[in-house]
Amino acid sequence: AQKVTQAQTEISVVEKEDVTLDCVYETRDTTYYLFWYKQPPSGELVFLIRRNSFDEQNEISGRYSWNFQKSTSSFNFTITASQVVDSAVYFCALSETDAGGTSYGKLTFGQGTILTVHP
Amino acid sequence: DTGVSQNPRHKITKRGQNVTFRCDPISEHNRLYWYRQTLGQGPEFLTYFQNEAQLEKSRLLSDRFSAERPKGSFSTLEIQRTEQGDSAMYLCASSPPWTLNTQYFGPGTRLTVL
Repeated sequence: AQKVTQAQTEISVVEKEDVTLDCVYETRDTTYYLFWYKQPPSGELVFLIRRNSFDEQNEISGRYSWNFQKSTSSFNFTITASQVVDSAVYFCALSETDAGGTSYGKLTFGQGTILTVHP
Repeated sequence: DTGVSQNPRHKITKRGQNVTFRCDPISEHNRLYWYRQTLGQGPEFLTYFQNEAQLEKSRLLSDRFSAERPKGSFSTLEIQRTEQGDSAMYLCASSPPWTLNTQYFGPGTRLTVL
């Protein structure tokens, strides 16, 4: 069965600090997708990124970057120069794929990491 | 673009009552998902539809829960004989056929069972 572990329950930083959120996953499939979502205080989950298990290139989007390491089953998320607006709960999620390579519907989420950025 | 909408946003009910939630997905999204989220936890999968077909149901979905998507557009989730343990946020998400399961979530319906 697939599983996602986010070992950091809460992280507190001061504005402009860099912060890394850890995600470790378990799956028996060779083809899968990994996701990060942000849940701000308003409650609505916001999609941030999707990675294919075959693509281990790191990705950068503005202050956000993601490090995918298949060898360690990790998909970590770094926020550079954090801002107060980054305060939210961040979830890592995993979706296994069928034989055709299109994803199953189900996302398996980690428990989330609460990030608080202080001014 | 109009996002995923859910109604009602909040529902307070007494134990034993039936409740029904509605989800309207983003236009042209053929897949629709239901999740449940309790405080301090990540969302847990309940069920999903591709068009009007219900393709998977979680073991979390007891026989008191039923979901429908009759015309492949909006969906309803009904809980019969509610229990206090059903208190949670019920999230709906949808995805189009071209984004390999990137799911876009609605604001959720918060259910409180007294």
